[in-house]
Amino acid sequence: SYVLTQPPSVSVAPGQTAKITCGGNDIGIKTVHWYQQKPGQAPVLVVYDDSVRPSGIPERFSGSNSGNTATLIITWVEAGDEADYYCQVWDSSSGRQAVFGGGSTLTVL
Amino acid sequence: EVQLVQSGAEVTKPGESLKISCKGSGYNFTNYWIGWVRQMPGKGLEWMGIVYPGDSDTKYSPSFEGQVSISVDKSISTAYLQWNSLKASDTAIYFCARLPFTAVTTIYGSTWYGFDAFDMWGQGTLVTVS
Repeated sequence: SYVLTQPPSVSVAPGQTAKITCGGNDIGIKTVHWYQQKPGQAPVLVVYDDSVRPSGIPERFSGSNSGNTATLIITWVEAGDEADYYCQVWDSSSGRQAVFGGGSTLTVL
Repeated sequence: EVQLVQSGAEVTKPGESLKISCKGSGYNFTNYWIGWVRQMPGKGLEWMGIVYPGDSDTKYSPSFEGQVSISVDKSISTAYLQWNSLKASDTAIYFCARLPFTAVTTIYGSTWYGFDAFDMWGQGTLVTVS
């Protein structure tokens, strides 16, 4: 089955840029979605189709996807961005399966 | 308001059965698949399966097939997740989520679904088995 690998933690100072990676074999040919989950809350979609922001998501959130790595990019990081972030793809190699990365905890220093 | 509202927290015993629900409102319920996602205490998100309210078609993760049952009643815009015999390891928060899709009819007459992102989530249902 397809595996997505994320760093367990990412730390960044306020105002800086956070980059959260999601590694997978040839992930560049797949479509990657990103979710934000704050403690005690349900996940929220923050980027879909590699780099598209849903309505209501700040422009500070963006994404890229190429080769074996997809990246969620958060510019001008704020304290309120502290959360767990998950990448997700659909894998067709063994039927239609949704695959989530293990999640990355973003800490704002 | 477009939303998914899940049933309340449950405390059950090992071996018991349980059915939790997810009710959609504010949108055409049959225009989207509904997915179920597990989150064990302190852990990440795990995809369990999806159901299409239009015809009750289901797709399961191999990790959960045979362990749970996903169903839907489109007349009341509600999807369900059911266990016949719970285990302590089923203790988790369970989320439902809405899934947009594209359907393409192939030249063979079958339907191929292209799935998008889970664009809206329920608030989660905590299931405690102890």
